[in-house]
Parts: sequence; C-alpha cells; structure tokens
Amino acid sequence: DGGITQSPKYLFRKEGQNVTLSCEQNLNHDAMYWYRQDPGQGLRLIYYSQIVNDFQKGDIAEGYSVSREKKESFPLTVTSAQKNPTAFYLCASSAGTVNYEQYFGPGTRLTVT
Amino acid sequence: RKEVEQDPGPFNVPEGATVAFNCTYSNSASQSFFWYRQDCRKEPKLLMSVYSSGNEDGRFTAQLNRASQYISLLIRDSKLSDSATYLCVVNIKAAGNKLTFGGGTRVLVKP
Repeated sequence: DGGITQSPKYLFRKEGQNVTLSCEQNLNHDAMYWYRQDPGQGLRLIYYSQIVNDFQKGDIAEGYSVSREKKESFPLTVTSAQKNPTAFYLCASSAGTVNYEQYFGPGTRLTVT
Repeated sequence: RKEVEQDPGPFNVPEGATVAFNCTYSNSASQSFFWYRQDCRKEPKLLMSVYSSGNEDGRFTAQLNRASQYISLLIRDSKLSDSATYLCVVNIKAAGNKLTFGGGTRVLVKP
C-alpha cells in the first residue's frame, strides 16, 4: 500500500527534552512538509522540502529542525527551544510544489509536560 | 487580514438537505485551490481540487470566483457521514508555492 506513515501516534515528553517525529512516504513524492495544528485552529507550516538535502523554513520554524537525507524520509525534531510544543503534528507530501495536491499522514499528537 | 478565511460554523444541516459555504482569499496571485475534509482528531484528506470552470464530484460541487476572490463548496443530499470540518486550501504563488490553509468550516449533519 502506498502512503505516508508517521510514528508514533501519541508521544509524551518532559519539558526540556528534544523529541524527533518520524515521517516516511512510499509515494515517490519529491516534496514533503511538516505542519502543526492546535485545537480549533488551522494548519501552520513548519518546514518543507522540495528535494533531497534541501529544505526551507515555513511560517513557524523557530524551535524546530528537520533533515532530508532520503527522498522517502523527512523527520522533524522538536527542540527544547520550542515554547509551546504540545500540538498535533502532520506530515504531508506532494508530487511537486506547484498546483499539486498534498497528501497527509495520520499525524502524531505530542504532549509535553 | 488572514490570507484564507472561512466561516467556522457550525452549519447544522438536516439529513438530505443542501448546504453551501464559501472561503475567501486575499491574494489575487493565488493559483490553485483545494477543499480538504478533516474528521475530528484525524488528518485532512483531499476532497477535491477546484478548477476555474467549476467542478462536480458526486454530491459535491466546487466553484471558483476569481473576480470576488472566493471559492465555494456545495453538498447536496447531505449524509450523516458528511459531518466534518472542511478546509479551504490555497496555493499562493507569492508565498513560494506553499499551501495556505483556512481555519475550516464545521458541518454537522443531523437526522
């Protein structure tokens, strides 16, 4: 089955710890994205990557880091510098970045206490 | 002003009725448009792309009005399973071809 997987589904961490969220796709898509969604709000773009070994900051990149060493993988690290890390994190991919639909993984709910 | 705005609702719809709602966008350079559906605590799923001539997919019809800068979604013969939040999504060329999401319109279909 082709698709996007994210793991884990739920993640709990103590304040001050870095945590890495996994995102893998087997759709052979070039572009991948990370979004954050807070309760009752829309999606906000954290980082995106149009090609392997290249990525750009989105609207709310502070406190986050990413890597794109392989086409199918785009892990997101939530660092201790992120002031309000508790949120629903969604990874997406698309065949390109112009007029292409994005397809989402099931998301990871991160709770930091 | 937000780049993409939606009425948050909820729109309470009797089963079998028709419901329609709009989404406005502020950047006239916007070049592609989508409707996504998001169920509670789930990921968004693509419902349909919106083409300049308007398009229909079963009970769903999407329209684009570039002059007034809005897109619309109409759902005919509403089913209970249509209850969800509908996200309007715009690709704004000036923003680096990234997708910008509206806050969503919540639709509740009731028996």
